[in-house]
Amino acid sequence: KNQVEQSPQSLIILEGKNCTLQCNYTVSPFSNLRWYKQDTGRGPVSLTIMTFSENTKSNGRYTATLDADTKQSSLHITASQLSDSASYICVVSEGGGNKLTFGTGTQLKVEL
Amino acid sequence: GAGVSQSPSNKVTEKGKDVELRCDPISGHTALYWYRQRLGQGLEFLIYFQGNSAPDKSGLPSDRFSAERTGESVSTLTIQRTQQEDSAVYLCASTPPTWTGELFFGEGSRLTVL
Repeated sequence: KNQVEQSPQSLIILEGKNCTLQCNYTVSPFSNLRWYKQDTGRGPVSLTIMTFSENTKSNGRYTATLDADTKQSSLHITASQLSDSASYICVVSEGGGNKLTFGTGTQLKVEL
Repeated sequence: GAGVSQSPSNKVTEKGKDVELRCDPISGHTALYWYRQRLGQGLEFLIYFQGNSAPDKSGLPSDRFSAERTGESVSTLTIQRTQQEDSAVYLCASTPPTWTGELFFGEGSRLTVL
């Protein structure tokens, strides 16, 4: 069964600090992996997409990595801001079709 | 607006009543998804529409749940005889004709069943 597991489940950090969120998946065949940010009371918004051939991709203070061999991805947030407080969801797309498998998300809270 | 529009944004109903939730996808998007998100939990797939193909209803939790879509436009998710466990945010998403795996979500409809 295709699965996406995220860790930690929740995280609290101080403003200005860095953090790394993890995503492990068993989806096969693999097409791509996306990280979404979901602010409280809003719909998720895509932050970045990782395809099989990509190892690292940055979007501002967000840097995603992908290791297709170990089936792991990470999302690193640099110099965190209060506005980074949100749920971060890892979604893996199955190759050859449009099936998506969602992780349960990491709830990040950035405090002063 | 250019985004996915959902209504109502909030709905409070009594147990046993029927509710209808509406989703207006981004113009030109061919696929439409409904998801349920219970408080503090991940997204649960409910149903998927793609053009004129038969919808994928494999995620609907019971026969109290149904959804319709008119062509490639508005979709309605109906929950009959609501139960307290139906309380959740119902999210709609659409995708453009060329599949990239990116879902464009609406803001959701928060349903509370008393």
